[in-house]
This record gives sequence, structure tokens and C-alpha cells, in this order.
Amino acid sequence: EVQLVQSGAEVKKPGESLKISCKGSGYSFTSYWIGWVRQMPGKGLEWMGIIYPGDSDTRYSPSFQGQVTISADKSISTAYLQWSSLKASDTAMYYCARLDSYSGYVVYWGQGTLVTVSS
Amino acid sequence: QSALTQPASVSGSPGQSITISCTGTSSDVGGYNYVSWYQQHPGKAPKLMIYEVSNRPSGVSNRFSGSKSGNTASLTISGLQAEDEADYYCSSYTSSSTLGYVFGTGTKVTVL
Repeated sequence: EVQLVQSGAEVKKPGESLKISCKGSGYSFTSYWIGWVRQMPGKGLEWMGIIYPGDSDTRYSPSFQGQVTISADKSISTAYLQWSSLKASDTAMYYCARLDSYSGYVVYWGQGTLVTVSS
Repeated sequence: QSALTQPASVSGSPGQSITISCTGTSSDVGGYNYVSWYQQHPGKAPKLMIYEVSNRPSGVSNRFSGSKSGNTASLTISGLQAEDEADYYCSSYTSSSTLGYVFGTGTKVTVL
């Protein structure tokens, strides 16, 4: 059974750093792109970036380039999303997703990680 | 890369059919048959309803169908049911962004 299991909810202060994770199981982790999707409170879905764990090829949305870092450790089948200095506007639910083909559709989603940034 | 344009809300009575549009450009919706649709209930992760314009994943009701004409893709829900009340998002491959993918603005479907 394919599963993407994300790390738990986080409460952080502005300026702090954070790294959240997404562990894949039940499939060849190095053979599928993994994407990160942001959903701010009451708002829509936004693609942040994608990574191919097989060779760490990473692509970012222009809106998120330089704001976050996406990485993966294929030895433990885990993808990461990290911030070096959080802002209140980073408060959101973050989903990881496995892209099932070049067309980019997603069958498997993580359960979501809620990040709250507040002083 | 701007989000694809969807109506903010669509409503219908039980049993009726509704259609949600997703308008892009020739660089995304119009240029590729790579449009997918997702349903999201409050507090839940999105669920794939249609992929590659008109294909339905296993387990998705045949009341959901997808199509495309020019730069606009559409999701039709026939025989509307109370459980269909949710947010719906389209997504497309795009050649306008280094990322390669873009979501629509989202549509709230209300069952009257």
C-alpha cells in the first residue's frame, strides 16, 4: 500500500527555522516526483516545488524560489521542506504529494502538516 | 505563473448537473491534455477525481466527468448528491513555469 506520512504539527515563532518531512512507503521512492503544496487558511492550493528523489532534481514555483528549500534523503525514503527564517505568513497547511506521471496528477497525498507561526 | 481561473462558487439541487470551468492559456490547459481535478472536503487532503482531462481513477463515481475545449477545461458532476459539497480544484501542466504545474483558484460547490 502506497503511503505518504508527514511529520506532525508545528508551532514556531517568526525568525525560527523549521524542517518538515514526508516519508514514502509501499513503492519505489526514487522513481516518482514528490511535490509540496501550500494551503493557507481558507485559501486554495498552491504548488511550491517538486523533487525527484532519484537524482535530487528540484524545481520551484517562482513564488517560492528562495523562500524554502526542498530536499530528499533516498536512503530513508523521505522528502523535506524547510525554512531558514519563518514569517507569520508561512502559517498554512502543507501537503506532500506523489506525482504519478509527467502529466502531474496526484493519486497519493500526505495527511498534511499544519505550521503555525506566531509570536 | 498565475493560477488557472475557476468560478468562486457553483450550486445546484440534488439530482441536478453542474459544470465547473477552469480557464488557462495555450501554455497550459490549451496546450496539453494534462488537466486534473481534485475534490477537497474541509480538513481533508485533496482527492483525485479526473486526470489527463477526462480519465476517471478507479473508485471515483461515473457521475464525475471531464472535458476540454480550447483553453478551458470543465468538470461536470451529474446527479448531484449532498456528499459532493466540497471545494474543487483543477491543475494543469504548464510550460510557463520552471515548476511545470499550476492549480486553479478553486470552486466551492454547494448542494442546495
